[in-house]
Order: sequence, then C-alpha cells, then structure tokens
Amino acid sequence: RKEVEQDPGPFNVPEGATVAFNCTYSNSASQSFFWYRQDCRKEPKLLMSVYSSGNEDGRFTAQLNRASQYISLLIRDSKLSDSATYLCVVSLTGGGNKLTFGTGTQLKVEL
Amino acid sequence: GAVVSQHPSRVICKSGTSVKIECRSLDFQATTMFWYRQFPKQSLMLMATSNEGSKATYEQGVEKDKFLINHASLTLSTLTVTSAHPEDSSFYICSAGGGLAGLRTDTQYFGPGTRLTVL
Repeated sequence: RKEVEQDPGPFNVPEGATVAFNCTYSNSASQSFFWYRQDCRKEPKLLMSVYSSGNEDGRFTAQLNRASQYISLLIRDSKLSDSATYLCVVSLTGGGNKLTFGTGTQLKVEL
Repeated sequence: GAVVSQHPSRVICKSGTSVKIECRSLDFQATTMFWYRQFPKQSLMLMATSNEGSKATYEQGVEKDKFLINHASLTLSTLTVTSAHPEDSSFYICSAGGGLAGLRTDTQYFGPGTRLTVL
C-alpha cells in the first residue's frame, strides 16, 4: 500500500466549477499535512498547510480527518490558472523535515 | 526571500559519465537540504537528507556510492550521479528547510529542478 494515495485524475472541469480532491495516508503517526501544487515540468510549490480544524485560503479549503486518515482539498470558482497537479503531502514531524508525497491529482480547468 | 536555485536545469549525458547537480540557497542559510527524484507520472521520492558538515542520510534503496552528496556550506549542496545509466534519467529536485533563517519551519523551499537524460 502506498504511504499517500490519491486519485490521479485527470479532473476536467469548466471554469467556475467547484472541484474536490481526496487523499488518504497510511501512517497514523503522521503529524503534518500539506497540499502542494506542481505545474508541468516544474518544482512543487506549497499551496497550503492542512490543520485538524480545517482551514481556508481564498477559494481553497482543506480538511483533515485524523480518524479516517483522510485529507481533502476543495477549490471553488475554478480558474484556468488552477490547472495543475495537486500533491497531497504528509510528514511524520514538521514540513521542514522529511516529506512523503502522493502521486498527485491532475486538474484541467476548461473554458 | 527563500530562493533556491539548481544548476544545471537540464543535462544530457552519455551512459557511464558522472553528472554533478548543484543546489544553492540564495538568500538564506540552510543546515538541511533534501534531494528528491521524480520519474514521469510518479510522485517525488526522497533520496537523501543532506546536513551541512556531516554525512547525508540516504533513504532505503538509494545507493550512497552512486548518488554522492556533499553539503560543504550552509548555502550549497551537491548531488553527483556517478556512472549514470539510462534508468537514472529523471527529474532531480532539491529543497531546503528554512528554520535557520527564521523562515517558516513548517515548509521546504524547492529548487526548480534538474532534468537529467542519460543516453
């Protein structure tokens, strides 16, 4: 079983749509959780950290369910520029330490 | 702030040659740098953790004699792929922890990556 599992997609959605991605992780000792964004042939960039209480950053909302070992990302009012691969990332300690990446979910936002 | 550079951005080499990739933190010091590898349509996989002034810690399955890591200063870590073969062709990405510089300690700052193609 992979340490971090994601549906690879692609998710093809029209501009303005709401889209949700899910992720599960296998190690219950994981302490830190993140969503990163990776554009084609580029390095990953931190989108947002994920907190137990859930958190929101503009059009992006992240949720964490420790009991189910499940993380989600909701994107509202999708923009063309949101097209990318979204990586679910966990760490046993902090994000400044070893990170375990999922394979990513590809999003394509279309006109 | 928190810019990490990598050089070269792209390299093509013949099988059997060695390739050195540099990772620099441009505007901050990093005691710890990480080296990842990403094959097409796969996730980033941590290869090793590089600590300034000490030996790198390699992940299981990564050959330390093939992937030589040197972290001689707080702003530079190098990865040398020795005797490269076509199966080593991949996207190599480094990152640095920002704790020493007072930057966010809960994140890593990634370099732009180096695309290695071994013929």
